[in-house]
Amino acid sequence: DTEVTQTPKHLVMGMTNKKSLKCEQHMGHRAMYWYKQKAKKPPELMFVYSYEKLSINESVPSRFSPECPNSSLLNLHLHALQPEDSALYLCASSQESLSQAGYTFGSGTRLTVV
Amino acid sequence: AQSVTQLGSHVSVSEGALVLLRCNYSSSVPPYLFWYVQYPNQGLQLLLKYTTGATLVKGINGFEAEFKKSETSFHLTKPSAHMSDAAEYFCAVSKGYQKVTFGIGTKLQVIP
Repeated sequence: DTEVTQTPKHLVMGMTNKKSLKCEQHMGHRAMYWYKQKAKKPPELMFVYSYEKLSINESVPSRFSPECPNSSLLNLHLHALQPEDSALYLCASSQESLSQAGYTFGSGTRLTVV
Repeated sequence: AQSVTQLGSHVSVSEGALVLLRCNYSSSVPPYLFWYVQYPNQGLQLLLKYTTGATLVKGINGFEAEFKKSETSFHLTKPSAHMSDAAEYFCAVSKGYQKVTFGIGTKLQVIP
């Protein structure tokens, strides 16, 4: 299995809703990432997990809450989002401490906040 | 801090023509360099990477890139463009542990 699977593919949520994005990989990668990509922009790093521990938080607002229940799963919990949070949310994984190997990306979740 | 500059946010080529997408990097130490491709409404796919060793790197789909330290460049090329190459291409740089910085992207249009 050489894929990163993200669910759901599309999500529409109101500003008072609570929702979660899910990411799963079975490649034995020990680093997992959340990226946010706005239209016509490059991906921007949000969080990095290494060996299931949060190692990087790029000053992301607390309305985004990451969770890594085990080495294969990564969640992003969403609460009280704003319309400007609408974007493509990408999950990626890599061999831990070996960013030179490159990332494997999922297809993303297209989030719309209304 | 490391960064990359992609020259040309849009590039148009005719089908069968040479593809050249430019990327220059800024890094205080030898970097790891990557090219990713993104098709509409998809995630990014790794095309090729340079870490150490041979400076001419071959990737998937017939693409290759050459690391030129003297020019701080890592341009992406393909001898003959195909319609299926139309996509967004991102150059990226990493100095090591986990953090990768992406360029702004170049949208490649292939004209029949």
